[in-house]
Amino acid sequence: DSGVTQTPKHLITATGQRVTLRCSPRSGDLSVYWYQQSLDQGLQFLIHYYNGEERAKGNILERFSAQQFPDLHSELNLSSLELGDSALYFCASSATVNTGELFFGEGSRLTVL
Amino acid sequence: AQSVTQPDIHITVSEGASLELRCNYSYGATPYLFWYVQSPGQGLQLLLKYFSGDTLVQGIKGFEAEFKRSQSSFNLRKPSVHWSDAAEYFCAVAHGGATNKLIFGTGTLLAVQP
Repeated sequence: DSGVTQTPKHLITATGQRVTLRCSPRSGDLSVYWYQQSLDQGLQFLIHYYNGEERAKGNILERFSAQQFPDLHSELNLSSLELGDSALYFCASSATVNTGELFFGEGSRLTVL
Repeated sequence: AQSVTQPDIHITVSEGASLELRCNYSYGATPYLFWYVQSPGQGLQLLLKYFSGDTLVQGIKGFEAEFKRSQSSFNLRKPSVHWSDAAEYFCAVAHGGATNKLIFGTGTLLAVQP
């Protein structure tokens, strides 16, 4: 158990819909990262938040947004969903920002029909 | 741009045999290098990391990796594979600084034969 909690574990929705994925980092970790894992793209970095502020942005679509709240949990919002958004979305947290030591949750599997 | 190449998509080894998973990176300076493992239905777990110093690093579960600057490689090894090692292995690179943004390779899926 990494200590990172993601909900929901599975989500099935229709094209055009909007979903919110939630992540609770390990106790004390200020950084939260979101990654997308799909068969065709592999593991892609989406975004990094540190103590409520966006620190780095990767290949995140404009239809996607994220935020980190004062209690340090984070939410990834996916809107106007397309079939290609079906993927496993991982949240990770870390205590530091420059060592690459991430602790990953078990992921939220999104299926868009 | 940074990139990571894992040339082997799928590897099968017999239980008790030795293992080497290949990883090559492309980065201008000395990178931070990592190996993560993903068991079925699980998130990724850090096996080991290289930042600087001794080029042979030890990790968890009996794994080790060697950084070779001249070959831009960071291969993962284990002398004797156990059935529980069957998983997908990802090599990753980061450049530190203000973010832990990791660039992952495409992964190598390891199957272990009894």
